[in-house]
Amino acid sequence: GAVVSQHPSRVICKSGTSVKIECRSLDFQATTMFWYRQFPKKSLMLMATSNEGSKATYEQGVEKDKFLINHASLTLSTLTVTSAHPEDSSFYICSARDVFRGRGTEAFFGQGTRLTVV
Amino acid sequence: AQTVTQSQPEMSVQEAETVTLSCTYDTSESDYYLFWYKQPPSRQMILVIRQEAYKQQNATENRFSVNFQKAAKSFSLKISDSQLGDAAMYFCAYRSDSNYQLIWGAGTKLIIKP
Repeated sequence: GAVVSQHPSRVICKSGTSVKIECRSLDFQATTMFWYRQFPKKSLMLMATSNEGSKATYEQGVEKDKFLINHASLTLSTLTVTSAHPEDSSFYICSARDVFRGRGTEAFFGQGTRLTVV
Repeated sequence: AQTVTQSQPEMSVQEAETVTLSCTYDTSESDYYLFWYKQPPSRQMILVIRQEAYKQQNATENRFSVNFQKAAKSFSLKISDSQLGDAAMYFCAYRSDSNYQLIWGAGTKLIIKP
């Protein structure tokens, strides 16, 4: 159990276009999902916290108009990179927390998405 | 604000030997959780081990164990009988009891020498 599916795993898009990344909790409900960005050989940088049915909370320095997050259901959150530029190329990871598990249990991670903007 | 520090960018160990990865953290809270995550070349984050701060007993998962020193705010990971499949980036992470956000360390790259 506790599987998080992230799609696509790899995407290449042209500069100026938008790309959507999906994060699904397959066998549990997740009221909260997190979106991270990871640069090569670096740690995870939290971009935003996605809450089902409400607006996402963005970390300082993250452009909310560029990185649109939608969490319309208990099992799906999406990250849309709008008007992508080469500097947006990175590895994006989502994680989700099972609301019915005990406090302190870990979050579960998607497989990540490698975004390349050309 | 809470911080997590991993002072070893890279560690190497001979296969079948034991290696310890260091992690220190800073917090003013009394209730929190600490985690070690493994990120292999596939980049899928995998939970290795978890420790609740209120538990004095160190967590153990097969070949993986921690040395949790609450007063010193230290949370090291010991990997016994190292295997080639253990090669990965290892991240130490902190989470308070009141906030679901994870605070991450910079990571340690573990190299296993055959």
